[in-house]
Amino acid sequence: QQPVQSPQAVILREGEDAVINCSSSKALYSVHWYRQKHGEAPVFLMILLKGGEQKGHEKISASFNEKKQQSSLYLTASQLSYSGTYFCGTESDDSWGKLQFGAGTQVVVTP
Amino acid sequence: EAGVTQSPTHLIKTRGQQATLRCSPISGHTSVYWYQQALGLGLQFLLWYDEGEERNRGNFPPRFSGRQFPNYSSELNVNALELEDSALYLCASSLGQFDSGNTIYFGEGSWLTVV
Repeated sequence: QQPVQSPQAVILREGEDAVINCSSSKALYSVHWYRQKHGEAPVFLMILLKGGEQKGHEKISASFNEKKQQSSLYLTASQLSYSGTYFCGTESDDSWGKLQFGAGTQVVVTP
Repeated sequence: EAGVTQSPTHLIKTRGQQATLRCSPISGHTSVYWYQQALGLGLQFLLWYDEGEERNRGNFPPRFSGRQFPNYSSELNVNALELEDSALYLCASSLGQFDSGNTIYFGEGSWLTVV
């Protein structure tokens, strides 16, 4: 079962914040976040394991609520380089190793 | 350290033909994944190989198949090509450490165009 991402797209001015949500109907073991720029391969941002931890990567952080099977990615004080499509990938409790991705959230950061 | 490498970069085939795409994982990685990304769409899970065995496959017809070789490289075969098979095919690899978070790393992909 593929996770559901929202919103589908967001337009930000440089310096603004945004939140991207990812939810699943299945019990999750892990959530993975990737960013893909046009014409390039998806690049790994971070992985969150069962346990509700929060992780950060510069001004990009994420949380994982395993009870709700949800994860959120936080873009803080956005930079032009944050533009791209963000994908969440989920690995369910009953299917380790099979990483399914959401449809993606397109982020455009303008000057 | 070399990343995941894929070949060819671009491939043009005629409807009904067969296509073969190749992938070399990061050194030390034993798991290989294949994803299809149609234009403007998300990443659709195709196949997962680990230690030479097919571990799981997505909702794709049997004409999508592949294998993993003893050196952990992999190839994806698509038979009886259809126009809608035109897409970017991404290969990814991982260490296969499923109990501690299985981070996968993507290659640049192979563009398949079916005409």
